[in-house]
Amino acid sequence: SQKIEQNSEALNIQEGKTATLTCNYTNYSPAYLQWYRQDPGRGPVFLLLIRENEKEKRKERLKVTFDTTLKQSLFHITASQPADSATYLCALDMENGGSQGNLIFGKGTKLSVKP
Amino acid sequence: DGGITQSPKYLFRKEGQNVTLSCEQNLNHDAMYWYRQDPGQGLRLIYYSQIVNDFQKGDIAEGYSVSREKKESFPLTVTSAQKNPTAFYLCASTPSEGDTQYFGPGTRLTVL
Repeated sequence: SQKIEQNSEALNIQEGKTATLTCNYTNYSPAYLQWYRQDPGRGPVFLLLIRENEKEKRKERLKVTFDTTLKQSLFHITASQPADSATYLCALDMENGGSQGNLIFGKGTKLSVKP
Repeated sequence: DGGITQSPKYLFRKEGQNVTLSCEQNLNHDAMYWYRQDPGQGLRLIYYSQIVNDFQKGDIAEGYSVSREKKESFPLTVTSAQKNPTAFYLCASTPSEGDTQYFGPGTRLTVL
């Protein structure tokens, strides 16, 4: 069955540095991969989607890469700020052809940016 | 304002009682989802619905029930058969042509 792993439960970095979060998956070739941000006690918020034929996508200080050979996505936040502190979730489309929009989520990485 | 609303934000229930969590959206989205989130765990899919009057079980449907009588509404009932109901419950929706999910603010259910 599909498996998705976010390698670090927590990541602590200094303000201004680049945060890099990792998402790995096995037993599957997803059509796309998404990243969400979740603040404590709130619902996740969509950040970026990258498709299998795309290597990289950017949005302001955010960058996502997608390596289908390594079965890995990297999520970068450049010039990180304390306001970027949150849990970041990786999600893949489910291997279930009849249910468009169904996702499988990783457990998330809690990012803390220290001033 | 368009979006997804969940109510209540906090809910307490005694063991043995059924409780219904509300989820409403005015985004005109076709698909709706219910997830459960526990500390240290990812989101786990309980039920989903792609269209009105139709829904399917997710990975952890036991002890839960849903209905989809209107496009805008997808209530979740946590029954007394659910052994560990204390959790954070999240509702989400997706447009018919879209891939991203839009989440509500969540309901935290505590069983006393």
